[in-house]
Amino acid sequence: DSGVTQTPKHLITATGQRVTLRCSPRSGDLSVYWYQQSLDQGLQFLIHYYNGEERAKGNILERFSAQQFPDLHSELNLSSLELGDSALYFCASSGQTGATDTQYFGPGTRLTVL
Amino acid sequence: DQQVKQNSPSLSVQEGRISILNCDYTNSMFDYFLWYKKYPAEGPTFLISISSIKDKNEDGRFTVFLNKSAKHLSLHIVPSQPGDSAVYFCAASRIGGADGLTFGKGTHLIIQP
Repeated sequence: DSGVTQTPKHLITATGQRVTLRCSPRSGDLSVYWYQQSLDQGLQFLIHYYNGEERAKGNILERFSAQQFPDLHSELNLSSLELGDSALYFCASSGQTGATDTQYFGPGTRLTVL
Repeated sequence: DQQVKQNSPSLSVQEGRISILNCDYTNSMFDYFLWYKKYPAEGPTFLISISSIKDKNEDGRFTVFLNKSAKHLSLHIVPSQPGDSAVYFCAASRIGGADGLTFGKGTHLIIQP
């Protein structure tokens, strides 16, 4: 158990809909990272938040957005969903913002768009 | 354009032998490299890392080797055990950056009894 929790575990929805994925980091961790794992692309970095502030963006679509709240949990919002958004979404947390800080991953949320 | 490549989607090794997993990268800005292990229905778990100032890092049965000139790293597992059967991801980052990790597509290691 990494100490990172993600809800829900599974989500099935329809094209055009909007969903929210939630991540609670390990106790004391200030950084949250979001990744998408699709069948053909592997794990891809989406966005990084540190102590409530956005620090870096990766391959995140404009239809996707995220935020980190004062209690440090984070939410990833996916809107106008398309079939291709079906994937595993992982969040990871680390103590600080440096690349050498180990990232601890949650169990993921499996999103299926029908 | 894949910046981190793991060219072997799967690898089968006999229990007790050495497992060698390979990884190549193209971005010369990367200076920190990691290996993660993933079991089905779980998130990736950190295994071992190495910075570009070193060419080897060892932790128990796991050793990572880095060849900067060839932009190549490898993970050695000795001896291989049944519990090592998993998908192994190579990842890279820049020490001075805030970006997330750049991952390879993974190698599925199967340890045969």
